[in-house]
Amino acid sequence: AQSVTQLDSQVPVFEEAPVELRCNYSSSVSVYLFWYVQYPNQGLQLLLKYLSGSTLVKGINGFEAEFNKSQTSFHLRKPSVHISDTAEYFCAVSSNNAGNMLTFGGGTRLMVKP
Amino acid sequence: KAGVTQTPRYLIKTRGQQVTLSCSPISGHRSVSWYQQTPGQGLQFLFEYFSETQRNKGNFPGRFSGRQFSNSRSEMNVSTLELGDSALYLCASSEGQGGKTQYFGPGTRLLVL
Repeated sequence: AQSVTQLDSQVPVFEEAPVELRCNYSSSVSVYLFWYVQYPNQGLQLLLKYLSGSTLVKGINGFEAEFNKSQTSFHLRKPSVHISDTAEYFCAVSSNNAGNMLTFGGGTRLMVKP
Repeated sequence: KAGVTQTPRYLIKTRGQQVTLSCSPISGHRSVSWYQQTPGQGLQFLFEYFSETQRNKGNFPGRFSGRQFSNSRSEMNVSTLELGDSALYLCASSEGQGGKTQYFGPGTRLLVL
């Protein structure tokens, strides 16, 4: 079984400040890791994903994440946030023996203040 | 290419009724997955279909069912609706499996009264 924990349910931050959204996972098999963003009244949009290889993954909108196998973490970072980054962010895992089934964390609401 | 489309976008039903939601994947995508999103339980996997076959199923009661057609369009059905079925139902499509990107539709918001 897999599980994902997003340690912060809400993260308030001022515009142009850096941000880190934390994600830890648990799995007995190798996993693929994803970060999705959800804007109000919309579906989910993929920010980035880690399948294998380099542990630093760059995504859209200036986001990046680092896979740390020893700490079973996949934290999302952005060096300077904008008001438009205000949204809900979800970390998710899947494995190659479970098709496309995604197991999601509880989400982190990023609130960017002017 | 057009994105994933879901119909209807909003739906109001009463307890005991049944409902059918539809999902049209991105052209060429053969995998369709369904998720339920609620404030209390978050995002939960319902089931996945690939080439008309159910590949995976989440931990939901048998009232929740789905199917996929030869053109990859998918439907999910919920029978004997309960208040707790009120949720945003999201559909996602993918070219295949093994870490392929899943593209989500805007969802169908179901309210059960």
